[in-house]
Amino acid sequence: AQTVTQSQPEMSVQEAETVTLSCTYDTSESNYYLFWYKQPPSRQMILVIRQEAYKQQNATENRFSVNFQKAAKSFSLKISDSQLGDTAMYFCAFMLSFGNEKLTFGTGTRLTIIP
Amino acid sequence: NAGVTQTPKFRILKIGQSMTLQCAQDMNHNYMYWYRQDPGMGLKLIYYSVGAGITDKGEVPNGYNVSRSTTEDFPLRLELAAPSQTSVYFCASSLAHRGSGNTIYFGEGSWLTVV
Repeated sequence: AQTVTQSQPEMSVQEAETVTLSCTYDTSESNYYLFWYKQPPSRQMILVIRQEAYKQQNATENRFSVNFQKAAKSFSLKISDSQLGDTAMYFCAFMLSFGNEKLTFGTGTRLTIIP
Repeated sequence: NAGVTQTPKFRILKIGQSMTLQCAQDMNHNYMYWYRQDPGMGLKLIYYSVGAGITDKGEVPNGYNVSRSTTEDFPLRLELAAPSQTSVYFCASSLAHRGSGNTIYFGEGSWLTVV
């Protein structure tokens, strides 16, 4: 079974600064997907970014980027120029490839952006 | 675009009552899921379906039942509600095929309290 670990329950950072959220996972598979979801106070689950394990290039989406280290089984999320609207819970999630599309979630990191 | 629609959004149940959480998606997705999120925790998979007529258990299926008679609908039935089922329930869907990207889209959640 796959596991996902987020070791930072809470983080805070000043507005406009850069913050990195950590995630590690455990799997014996070589093909899989990794995701970061954002959950604001409304509880809506919003996809932030995704990474295919077979791709060496790190995914980026505007101010959001990942540092994917396959050998170390690490998948951190970097938020640049943080904004007040980035305040939310952030969940790291793992999915095996075709035929087993179920997400396994970490316990989340509560991020607060301070004005 | 409606996406994934869940009803009701809020519900209070008495111990021993039964109810059905409705979920519908209009994206012609083959996979559908039910997750629950307990306070301060990540999401855990209750049941999932890979297509009409096919369902399977996730991590925490006890106390729940599902059916998938159509591609669009995936209701979750709670029989004999217990306080331990107080949670936020998320329905989700994805289009899973080789090379698809496997992104899972979530509904807005249903807040259930059992008293």
